[in-house]
Amino acid sequence: DIVMTQTPLSLSVTPGQPASISCKSSQSLLHSDGKTYLSWYLQKPGQPPQSLIYEVSNRFSGVPDRFSGSGSGTDFTLKISRVEAEDVGVYYCMQSVQLPRTFGPGTKVDIK
Amino acid sequence: EVQLVESGGGLVQPGGSLRLSCAASGFTFSSNGMTWVRQAPGKGLDWVSIITGGGDNTYYADSVKGRFTMSRDNSKNTLYLQMNSLRAEDTAVYYCAKGGSAPSFWGKGTTVTVSS
Repeated sequence: DIVMTQTPLSLSVTPGQPASISCKSSQSLLHSDGKTYLSWYLQKPGQPPQSLIYEVSNRFSGVPDRFSGSGSGTDFTLKISRVEAEDVGVYYCMQSVQLPRTFGPGTKVDIK
Repeated sequence: EVQLVESGGGLVQPGGSLRLSCAASGFTFSSNGMTWVRQAPGKGLDWVSIITGGGDNTYYADSVKGRFTMSRDNSKNTLYLQMNSLRAEDTAVYYCAKGGSAPSFWGKGTTVTVSS
């Protein structure tokens, strides 16, 4: 199984400041179809997960453009250009290049 | 508007069974793979299973293989998860999600508690 790791596991951010979360996979997430299957999710307190990014850098419909994803191979980054109070919660990366799908442990983001 | 509404959770004894349902609306259900993900209390997200749009292919996490069966009724726009031989470690909130690769939308979840 592909192991996903995230750093940091906890992050405290001042509103209006940027934030960055790293996600690394134990194997390349590049598929033979040329796409890289890394996605990001946010779970706000007391809510189900919501989808942010797919295939490394594509935002799902309705996701604000302050969220961006980058990376390749085994190293990926989620960036929030200017953190807002509503961005608090736990962020998860997930690989879907192979089965079983696997999630990272999550990065908890709160506001200073 | 996409909606996914899970139901069927509850308290069950170890070794028991439950069937979860997920009613879908707002999109062409039969054209989309679907995913079940669970979250144990205070823990992270744990992928459980996926099914293709036509329902002909299913895949499971090793932790549930042989005990859980995912299926769908495209005429009813409904997804199912039959859970047998339940264990304490299956206690979790179970979410259904739209998409078999990167889920694009999630239901609110249904809680399964396995305890005597």
